[in-house]
Amino acid sequence: DQQVKQNSPSLSVQEGRISILNCDYTNSMFDYFLWYKKYPAEGPTFLISISSIKDKNEDGRFTVFLNKSAKHLSLHIVPSQPGDSAVYFCAAAVAGGANSKLTFGKGITLSVRP
Amino acid sequence: DAGITQSPRHKVTETGTPVTLRCHQTENHRYMYWYRQDPGHGLRLIHYSYGVKDTDKGEVSDGYSVSRSKTEDFLLTLESATSSQTSVYFCAMHAGADSPLHFGNGTRLTVT
Repeated sequence: DQQVKQNSPSLSVQEGRISILNCDYTNSMFDYFLWYKKYPAEGPTFLISISSIKDKNEDGRFTVFLNKSAKHLSLHIVPSQPGDSAVYFCAAAVAGGANSKLTFGKGITLSVRP
Repeated sequence: DAGITQSPRHKVTETGTPVTLRCHQTENHRYMYWYRQDPGHGLRLIHYSYGVKDTDKGEVSDGYSVSRSKTEDFLLTLESATSSQTSVYFCAMHAGADSPLHFGNGTRLTVT
């Protein structure tokens, strides 16, 4: 049973517009959430995270929103740039343990059109 | 990148042969992980380690073993490779529970 779901496999947006990437989770024990970005032939790179004590975290053009009651988080990229074209993985963990094993979604491919 | 390297980057092997993938880090991080990435599945955890000689299974550990004899090295072994183990394998590390994972650039393994 998939605990972290990214139901849309792809998203295409125009350069300069907002990209909204969605993620849902089913495990209510998750309290630490991350987004990773992956280019072809490279490893995933950390983008932004949020803990369950917050509902928003912002870093430059990237903002993550967390709705705990809906078990939903989203990543907003404003403005979108062609260099943002990549696969984005949502991940979740139970923080504070001896090691926080991340559970990943399947990923969403973002294409930003010039 | 971020002090973690994987070798080899690409490997083709035949069904039934043993294969060992190596992950090396220079950050002295305690925690290391092996993931595999497959279309339609995202990243799935194979095995992880929380210190020298301390390892445990992830969600897709069947057919894989690991060893961590030194802090800096985490080895993933396929004792007898099968075609279902054709995948891209990523090693990752982090300093502790609330720090993000840093990934290597992956090993693309093809089992023919």
